[in-house]
Amino acid sequence: DSGVTQTPKHLITATGQRVTLRCSPRSGDLSVYWYQQSLDQGLQFLIQYYNGEERAKGNILERFSAQQFPDLHSELNLSSLELGDSALYFCASSPQGAITEAFFGQGTRLTVV
Amino acid sequence: DQQVKQNSPSLSVQEGRISILNCDYTNSMFDYFLWYKKYPAEGPTFLISISSIKDKNEDGRFTVFLNKSAKHLSLHIVPSQPGDSAVYFCAASLQTGANNLFFGTGTRLTVIP
Repeated sequence: DSGVTQTPKHLITATGQRVTLRCSPRSGDLSVYWYQQSLDQGLQFLIQYYNGEERAKGNILERFSAQQFPDLHSELNLSSLELGDSALYFCASSPQGAITEAFFGQGTRLTVV
Repeated sequence: DQQVKQNSPSLSVQEGRISILNCDYTNSMFDYFLWYKKYPAEGPTFLISISSIKDKNEDGRFTVFLNKSAKHLSLHIVPSQPGDSAVYFCAASLQTGANNLFFGTGTRLTVIP
């Protein structure tokens, strides 16, 4: 158990819908990262938050947004969903801002039908 | 553009023998490299890392070799055990304190008892 909790584990939704993925970081970790893993692809960096502020952005679509709340949990919002958004979404957390020290959650598998 | 590549999607090895997983990268600015192991329904777990100033790092049964001139790294597992069966991801960052990792697509290792 990495200490990073993601909910839900699985999500099935229709095209055009909006979903919210939730991540609770390890106790004391200030940074949260979101990654997307599409079928047969490596993990792709989406976005990082540090202590409530956006720190870095990767290949995140405009239809996607994220935020980190005062209690340091984070949510990834995916809207106007398309079939191609079906993927595993991983959250990771680290004590400060270094991804190389991060622990990953078990992921949320999103299926868009 | 995939900057980190794992060209072997799968590898099967007999228990007790050596497993060698390979990874190539294209960006000469990468400074730090990591290997992660992933079991089904779990997130990636950090396994071992190496800085670009080294060419080898060992941790028990796991050794990572880095060949900067060839932009190639490999993970050796000796001896391989059935519990090592998992997907292994190679990842690279531009510096040790970076906020983004570039992942390969993974190699599924099966260790046959």
